[in-house]
Amino acid sequence: GAVVSQHPSWVICKSGTSVKIECRSLDFQATTMFWYRQFPKQSLMLMATSNEGSKATYEQGVEKDKFLINHASLTLSTLTVTSAHPEDSSFYICSARAGGPEAFFGQGTRLTVV
Amino acid sequence: GQNIDQPTEMTATEGAIVQINCTYQTSGFNGLFWYQQHAGEAPTFLSYNVLDGLEEKGRFSSFLSRSKGYSYLLLKELQMKDSASYLCAVPNSGGYQKVTFGTGTKLQVIP
Repeated sequence: GAVVSQHPSWVICKSGTSVKIECRSLDFQATTMFWYRQFPKQSLMLMATSNEGSKATYEQGVEKDKFLINHASLTLSTLTVTSAHPEDSSFYICSARAGGPEAFFGQGTRLTVV
Repeated sequence: GQNIDQPTEMTATEGAIVQINCTYQTSGFNGLFWYQQHAGEAPTFLSYNVLDGLEEKGRFSSFLSRSKGYSYLLLKELQMKDSASYLCAVPNSGGYQKVTFGTGTKLQVIP
């Protein structure tokens, strides 16, 4: 299957700082990527849809100024959590499709804000 | 919108068979997915059903009834490594661009 690579796998940052998470499609081009957040014992919640060459589409309740998404190429989307706070601590996962209906997920990023 | 319901937890014995049910409501049906997610890891794709009936793929099979808004994932010959959460998911109307995930069923396989 297609491979989606996400980095870093985990990150610890101080409150008030920003963190950038990268999502790359390694063997296919992805015009659209998706960013999810998952809190412990909960399901994946879609945060935003990242569109190559255009602005991301955010889900209701997700602050676009706090979660900056840049999809500058067909193989790379980045999510920047700005001015992170402890309540932003979560598991962030990206996904992309490679032509078929199924989504391929990155490894996920465990963010801990202290 | 989408609404998905699946049991929160299940326990089964190694070597046995377990069935994980999922009921869904969606305004426009575009298939149903099952994903496996081990603790602390990203989900991995298991199956995609768009037509009614049973689809078998090795030890895992998935069933769909569109008229009943019902699906199940059947795991045979359970192994300890099958302990994971199993997520039922349906695309939003309009295609695959957005997918709503259920809360997942945490399966524990015991010796």
